[in-house]
Amino acid sequence: SQQGEEDPQALSIQEGENATMNCSYKTSINNLQWYRQNSGRGLVHLILIRSNEREKHSGRLRVTLDTSKKSSSLLITASRAADTASYFCATASGSGGATNKLIFGTGTLLAVQP
Amino acid sequence: DAGITQSPRYKITETGRQVTLMCHQTWSHSYMFWYRQDLGHGLRLIYYSAAADITDKGEVPDGYVVSRSKTENFPLTLESATRSQTSVYFCASRTGVGNEQFFGPGTRLTVL
Repeated sequence: SQQGEEDPQALSIQEGENATMNCSYKTSINNLQWYRQNSGRGLVHLILIRSNEREKHSGRLRVTLDTSKKSSSLLITASRAADTASYFCATASGSGGATNKLIFGTGTLLAVQP
Repeated sequence: DAGITQSPRYKITETGRQVTLMCHQTWSHSYMFWYRQDLGHGLRLIYYSAAADITDKGEVPDGYVVSRSKTENFPLTLESATRSQTSVYFCASRTGVGNEQFFGPGTRLTVL
């Protein structure tokens, strides 16, 4: 069963605008990660936020985590056409070997129009 | 080149045939994973391995077999392929201490 669900399923914006994607999950987590997937390619890791962190930045990316609401958001600022891709959240839960397993959401398809 | 590779990239087979998808990584990462990606389901974990000769089931293991005799290789075998196993398969790896997973380019498998 899916742990994470992204919202919206699809998002279309103009270059230069900000894009916000949300992820909700069901159980307690150790960390939450965001990945990008360009069409026909493998996933690329973007950023990881631990359960005791509330916000993290990496370049034009800003991730927030609200463990009380079991939700996270990914903000891409000043978007570019090259940001067009699917974005997935993935959660790691449990202890020992269980933390090695990521559970992925269904993804948000972002289209940035030039 | 260093990295994680998958072969074949595309495969068409028939129901009932055995198929093996290969995954090779050059980083000597401890952990390796197999996922399948289907529309509406995102990525689902099939099997994973913590080290050579150590494997464990993921969310959707039925119909699949894995082995890991060498750290760098993690083949996935469909013993008797079914149409429901038509999917894109991704292999991934990570170190023993980090959390980031590195993905291969995927294998698109069609079972007729």
